Amino acid sequence: EVQLVESGGGLVKPGGSLRLSCAASGFTFSSYSMNWVRQAPGKGLEWVSSISSSSSYIYYADSVKGRFTISRDNAKNSLYLQMNSLRAEDTAVYYCARDDCTNGVCYGHWGQGTLVTVSS
Amino acid sequence: SYELTQPPSVSVSPGQTARITCSGDALPKQYAYWYQQKPGQAPVLVIYKDSERPSGIPERFSGSSSGTTVTLTISGVQAEDEADYYCQSADSSGTYQVFGTGTKVTVL
Repeated sequence: EVQLVESGGGLVKPGGSLRLSCAASGFTFSSYSMNWVRQAPGKGLEWVSSISSSSSYIYYADSVKGRFTISRDNAKNSLYLQMNSLRAEDTAVYYCARDDCTNGVCYGHWGQGTLVTVSS
Repeated sequence: SYELTQPPSVSVSPGQTARITCSGDALPKQYAYWYQQKPGQAPVLVIYKDSERPSGIPERFSGSSSGTTVTLTISGVQAEDEADYYCQSADSSGTYQVFGTGTKVTVL
């Protein structure tokens, strides 16, 4: 069974940093592109970042470019999101999601999410 | 930046058909995907590549595409289908992913 378990969320002050982790199991992690998707309280879904299976291709939404860094460790079956210079508008549940489609990107498996709150 | 537009809400009686549209300029070039999200839960993929249904998704969920609009149709709506629904696709370059604005489906 595919499992994605996020961790690392919490309360952080504006301007602070946080590192999210996503532990993957039940599949060959090194074969899949992975993504972070977030959802602000009461709002819609927002794609944040994606990383290809070998880390060769990395993309960010404009809203986080230059502040967030996505990475992965295929030996540890783990995905990461380093978040710096956090703002109040970064407050959201952050989901780790696996790209399950070819000739396109779709999120067939999701974690349960981890809440990041940016507040003084 | 690229946007996908959905109606904020759709109301439907049990057994009737709900149709949710999603409009975007790049949809003729890029596949669309649909997700169902219930309160407090992670989204679930219900349609991929415009009209394909993942295993385990009921047949009453279907998708279609016409020009710059894609449509999710729920036939014979059941109470359990009450949820938020989001379309998702890529910009014209295929690099950046975008979610639609979301549609709340209410079963009357």
